[in-house]
Amino acid sequence: AQKITQTQPGMFVQEKEAVTLDCTYDTSDQSYGLFWYKQPSSGEMIFLIYQGSYDEQNATEGRYSLNFQKARKSANLVISASQLGDSAMYFCAMIIMDSNYQLIWGAGTKLIIKP
Amino acid sequence: DSGVTQTPKHLITATGQRVTLRCSPRSGDLSVYWYQQSLDQGLQFLIQYYNGEERAKGNILERFSAQQFPDLHSELNLSSLELGDSALYFCASSGLLSQETQYFGPGTRLLVL
Repeated sequence: AQKITQTQPGMFVQEKEAVTLDCTYDTSDQSYGLFWYKQPSSGEMIFLIYQGSYDEQNATEGRYSLNFQKARKSANLVISASQLGDSAMYFCAMIIMDSNYQLIWGAGTKLIIKP
Repeated sequence: DSGVTQTPKHLITATGQRVTLRCSPRSGDLSVYWYQQSLDQGLQFLIQYYNGEERAKGNILERFSAQQFPDLHSELNLSSLELGDSALYFCASSGLLSQETQYFGPGTRLLVL
């Protein structure tokens, strides 16, 4: 069965420090994609970054990078130089390409950036 | 701004009632997805439409139904509402070129009293 596990319910990080949010996934499919979304307190769901299972290089988008370790089935999100505006819930999600493209979600990590 | 719009933003109704949530996908996107986010169950996939046709069903109750119209906007109908239906309902859309990435609307926050 496909599953996403986020083991950190909450994290406190000092402003300007880097932060790593953990995500492990479980699937027997070979073709899949991994996403990170950010949900601020206002509620909207913001797409951050995507990594395909066949992508050899780790995805990067500005201050966000995805540390993809396929053998370990992990897809951790790294935020460099954290800012107060990074305080939010962060969700890891997976899509199976040969399926119906529905997203399978982790439980989320609440990140709080301290000034 | 993701380009996906949802109306209304907030909805308060009573048990037993019926409501309709509306979603307009990003320009050019053919796929529309509906998700429910509740405190006890997290984010759950409900249903997907592609160019007017239902493509996949997730954990959608029989009291819920959806459709996608020729102009590609979609509506999610929730009937015989129960207290447990209170949640944030998201619509997302994806396109042909980047079919995997789903962009989310701002959500409709439903409160059933």
